[in-house]
Amino acid sequence: DTEVTQTPKHLVMGMTNKKSLKCEQHMGHRAMYWYKQKAKKPPELMFVYSYEKLSINESVPSRFSPECPNSSLLNLHLHALQPEDSALYLCASSPKAGDTEAFFGQGTRLTVV
Amino acid sequence: GESVGLHLPTLSVQEGDNSIINCAYSNSASDYFIWYKQESGKGPQFIIDIRSNMDKRQGQRVTVLLNKTVKHLSLQIAATQPGDSAVYFCAENKGTYKYIFGTGTRLKVLA
Repeated sequence: DTEVTQTPKHLVMGMTNKKSLKCEQHMGHRAMYWYKQKAKKPPELMFVYSYEKLSINESVPSRFSPECPNSSLLNLHLHALQPEDSALYLCASSPKAGDTEAFFGQGTRLTVV
Repeated sequence: GESVGLHLPTLSVQEGDNSIINCAYSNSASDYFIWYKQESGKGPQFIIDIRSNMDKRQGQRVTVLLNKTVKHLSLQIAATQPGDSAVYFCAENKGTYKYIFGTGTRLKVLA
C-alpha cells in the first residue's frame, strides 16, 4: 500500500462551522504533513508531525488545529474559517526527515462560504 | 491589471519533442531535490529525485540536472506525450522535514 488517503474529497463549510479533514497512510511513515495550496500556486507547508509529535508549525492561524492520534492518522480540525481559507488541503507522509520523497494524497478541496 | 502569481509560467511542446523545465532554488544548504508532477484536481506525484552529491540522474524518459554553482535544477522529458501535460514543481530539502516548493511550470503538450 503506497497511498495516502484523504477524506473528504470536497467540503463546503460556513464560517461558523466546525469540520475536520482526515488523512491516513499505512506505509509505516513516521513524518506526516499538512500543506495548503491555492489555485496556480505551489503547496505551502502548514504543519509537520514527526513520530506523532508536532515538529513544525509554519505560523498557521489557530483556527486550524492539527492532531496526530497515531502513526497512521493525521487530522486537521477547522473552526471559524474565512473565505480566503478556501483552498486544496494536501496531506503527505515520508519515512523520515529529508533525503526521501514525500508521498501526497489527492487533497481535500475546501470551500468556505 | 494582472496580479503577480496568478499565472503559471507555461511551456508548450509538440508531442514527441523533448521538454526542459527549469527551476531556481533558494537555499544553498539544500541537499535533496525532488520533481513532482501535479495533474488537475490531484495531489503532487513523485517523478524523480537527486541528491546534492550528484549532477545528473536519469529515470524512465526523465533526466534531472543539478547545477549547485548557480542553484539551478532542470527536468528533461524525452519524447513528450499528451499524458505529460500537468504542472511541474521542484521541491528542495535540507535534511529537515521542510520540503519547499518552487513556483511551478505548466507543461502543455500540443498534438
